[in-house]
Amino acid sequence: QVQLQESGPGLVKPSETLSLTCTVSGGSISSSSYYWGWIRQPPGKGLEWIGNIYYSGSTYYNPSLKSRVSISLDTSKNQFSLKLNSVTAADTAVYYCARGRYSGSYTCFDSWGQGTLVTVSS
Amino acid sequence: DIQLTQSPSFLSASVGDRVTITCRASQGISSYLAWYQQKPGKAPKVLIYAASTLQSGVPSRFSGSGSGTEFTLTISSLQPEDFATYYCQQLNTYPHFGGGTKVEIK
Repeated sequence: QVQLQESGPGLVKPSETLSLTCTVSGGSISSSSYYWGWIRQPPGKGLEWIGNIYYSGSTYYNPSLKSRVSISLDTSKNQFSLKLNSVTAADTAVYYCARGRYSGSYTCFDSWGQGTLVTVSS
Repeated sequence: DIQLTQSPSFLSASVGDRVTITCRASQGISSYLAWYQQKPGKAPKVLIYAASTLQSGVPSRFSGSGSGTEFTLTISSLQPEDFATYYCQQLNTYPHFGGGTKVEIK
């Protein structure tokens, strides 16, 4: 049973860079059967997809965040990471990491971390 | 960008009711749609993928249908543990989510 766990600072100052890591256990991050994503949820609001990274290292970002976001893999640690720069209060949210699974040509996020609240404030 | 519109955004229902939630896509997305359930303080959980395929372990009272631009999630007999917020997600292009439907106890 795969498990995902987010980690990183819970408080980030405006204009700085938000950095989070997702540690994957119970499965290899290098498997071609899966991909890895970040999703966020501002308090009391809906889900926003941030981006995905694939076993090859290729990435796919939400166009609305693309200029500020970077996702990377660390296969030696079975982790993937999110960096979001130039943050503002609007980036305050619970950040989730998730595993994307393929079923033929179809896909979904089938496993999620518990989420971590990141507050942007001075 | 493909937009997803869920309706209703809020739904009040009783245990045992049949509940239907609709998700409309601004462009055709074939069957590239998933449904998630989220309870307060918890991560979302996938219920349905490929528009109508039940995720392993999900009770059979949940079902999904549709293709193209109109999709539905149906709960055949609402149970106490089903009171939650439900989201659709399109996976044809950028995997955006719908705005959510909160199902509350009547």
